[in-house]
Amino acid sequence: AQSVTQLGSHVSVSEGALVLLRCNYSSSVPPYLFWYVQYPNQGLQLLLKYTSAATLVKGINGFEAEFKKSETSFHLTKPSAHMSDAAEYFCAVSDLRTGRRALTFGSGTRLQVQP
Amino acid sequence: DTAVSQTPKYLVTQMGNDKSIKCEQNLGHDTMYWYKQDSKKFLKIMFSYNNKELIINETVPNRFSPKSPDKAHLNLHINSLELGDSAVYFCASSLTDTYEQYFGPGTRLTVT
Repeated sequence: AQSVTQLGSHVSVSEGALVLLRCNYSSSVPPYLFWYVQYPNQGLQLLLKYTSAATLVKGINGFEAEFKKSETSFHLTKPSAHMSDAAEYFCAVSDLRTGRRALTFGSGTRLQVQP
Repeated sequence: DTAVSQTPKYLVTQMGNDKSIKCEQNLGHDTMYWYKQDSKKFLKIMFSYNNKELIINETVPNRFSPKSPDKAHLNLHINSLELGDSAVYFCASSLTDTYEQYFGPGTRLTVT
């Protein structure tokens, strides 16, 4: 079964600093990978996705992620954090081997942005 | 022009009651899902329907019964509610040919 590991349940950065949220997946076949953001008391919003095209994926709100097969990673980055980026971030994976379209989520990383 | 909507947004009820949550999407998607988010924010798939056909049914108590009257709607009925059912339930949808899912705003269920 596929799994996703997000290192760091809480990450705190200063406004203007680099944001790095880590995600590693386990799969014998490179899956499709996603990052979602959840603001307090809201649903999940798709930030970006990797679907076997370019390995560097750009998303909304200035976020990007790089798929590294050798490291089985899909880390999320943003060059300069804004206060509005404070939220919960989830990495998720789809299992292409089975075609099962349900997403398997990581445990989430709460991003805090300090003024 | 909400893409995926859920009703109600909040649901407070007592143990033993039966309740339903409704979901509708206007994206023209053919696959819909129910996810449960627990108090630690962990998200897990419960059910998935494709063109009104149940395709994923995770290990969920029989008290949970999904129903899809058409491709745009997926409802979740819960019988004999228990304290452990308290969670946020998210509906999502996607197209068969893609894997990206769009989520509704969630329904916070509190069982007392």
